[in-house]
Amino acid sequence: DAMVIQNPRYQVTQFGKPVTLSCSQTLNHNVMYWYQQKSSQAPKLLFHYYDKDFNNEADTPDNFQSRRPNTSFCFLDIRSPGLGDAAMYLCATSRGGPISTDTQYFGPGTRLTVL
Amino acid sequence: AQKVTQAQTEISVVEKEDVTLDCVYETRDTTYYLFWYKQPPSGELVFLIRRNSFDEQNEISGRYSWNFQKSTSSFNFTITASQVVDSAVYFCALSESTASKLTFGTGTRLQVTL
Repeated sequence: DAMVIQNPRYQVTQFGKPVTLSCSQTLNHNVMYWYQQKSSQAPKLLFHYYDKDFNNEADTPDNFQSRRPNTSFCFLDIRSPGLGDAAMYLCATSRGGPISTDTQYFGPGTRLTVL
Repeated sequence: AQKVTQAQTEISVVEKEDVTLDCVYETRDTTYYLFWYKQPPSGELVFLIRRNSFDEQNEISGRYSWNFQKSTSSFNFTITASQVVDSAVYFCALSESTASKLTFGTGTRLQVTL
């Protein structure tokens, strides 16, 4: 029944060691989002894909990249994780009308620890 | 610019009490959408409700109800007869028709004890 799936749920990496987080969806939604959520804070949008079109938020560091090889999958690559990148990373999808008006459905998140 | 304020950082209630979570928003758009999400300790954000700016009808879903008042730019959420399973962080969020993002409030942590 899971509709937005994130793997792994917990990821530990070393300072500076590249890491990839995975998101898949069974909803056939056009839009996929990546959010970063630090402890006791609101989720912060990093970027989103509308189909194959990539939309980066202006304040997202270059250290964060994303790939969407097909409708179902989207990846978040952190090229050189720093201690400040330790957070929960949430993937979300929406159907694909006007982006801002569709409901976003979230996955369970991946909690990233940087040692 | 859009903004969402959840002034209550943390609320503690005893089971079976009613509790209201406040949400105040700011927007210049006449067309916008308001949302509530629940985030239990597991971390997943669970969608609860979506309301557009032209629909001011209050909504009830089981023990949950929402009061949307454009005159005060508020979209408050009430849980009736709270239960321990309601313990979570609740986020109010806003999206404008002219912006391609969802703006979250800072969340309200609700603790329901026996």
